Amino acid sequence: EDKVVQSPLSLVVHEGDTVTLNCSYEVTNFRSLLWYKQEKKAPTFLFMLTSSGIEKKSGRLSSILDKKELSSILNITATQTGDSAIYLCAVMDNYGQNFVFGPGTRLSVLP
Amino acid sequence: GAGVSQSPRYKVAKRGQDVALRCDPISGHVSLFWYQQALGQGPEFLTYFQNEAQLDKSGLPSDRFFAERPEGSVSTLKIQRTQQEDSAVYLCASSPWTSGSDEQFFGPGTRLTVL
Repeated sequence: EDKVVQSPLSLVVHEGDTVTLNCSYEVTNFRSLLWYKQEKKAPTFLFMLTSSGIEKKSGRLSSILDKKELSSILNITATQTGDSAIYLCAVMDNYGQNFVFGPGTRLSVLP
Repeated sequence: GAGVSQSPRYKVAKRGQDVALRCDPISGHVSLFWYQQALGQGPEFLTYFQNEAQLDKSGLPSDRFFAERPEGSVSTLKIQRTQQEDSAVYLCASSPWTSGSDEQFFGPGTRLTVL
C-alpha cells in the first residue's frame, strides 16, 4: 500500500530558527513529490520535485529530493511567525492519477 | 485504513458529458472540502460542507458545477456538460473540525480528462 510519512508531526520553534521537515514515501511508480503549506484555506503549493539531488529554492524555503532514500526535506531558514502552518507532503504516481498525502507537520513559530 | 477515499480514480469524459465524482470522508468528520488542482499548482478551493450544509460554494467555477452531501457523510461533485478546461485532479478533504481549523485529510483525488 502506498504510504507517505512525515516527521516530526509537530514542531515549535522561535523566530529566527532554522527548521528541517522530513517526508519519506513508499509509492509504486513514483513521479513527483510535492510540498504544500496549509493554512485556514486551500493548501498553497510550494515545490514539485521530480529529479533527485536538485535543490529548489524560494526565498527562505528550499527543498530537495533523494530518490535513493525515498525521501525529501523542506528547509525553512530564519523562520517567521507567518511560517506557522501545517506543511503537507504528497506524492504523485507516474500516471498522474494517484495522490498520496502525508499527515503533515504542524509548525508553530513563536515570536 | 479509514482514510478519505474517492471514486472513480480516473475518469475520461467526452466534451458535453455529465460526470459525478464521489468522496467518502473519514467517518465522523464534520467538514468536507472539494478542490480542483491543475498539474504543478496548488489546489483551488471549490466548495465546503459542514455536515450536510453547503456553507461556501464561492469557488465553483460555473453553474455547471454542483456538489451535495445530503446525509452529512458521502459527497458528490457533479459537473454538467463538461468542457476541456474542466480537466484536472479533483481532491476531496475532510476535517474533524468546523471551519477555522487548518487540519484536513486528503483523499487520493480523481483525475478527470475531458476530450
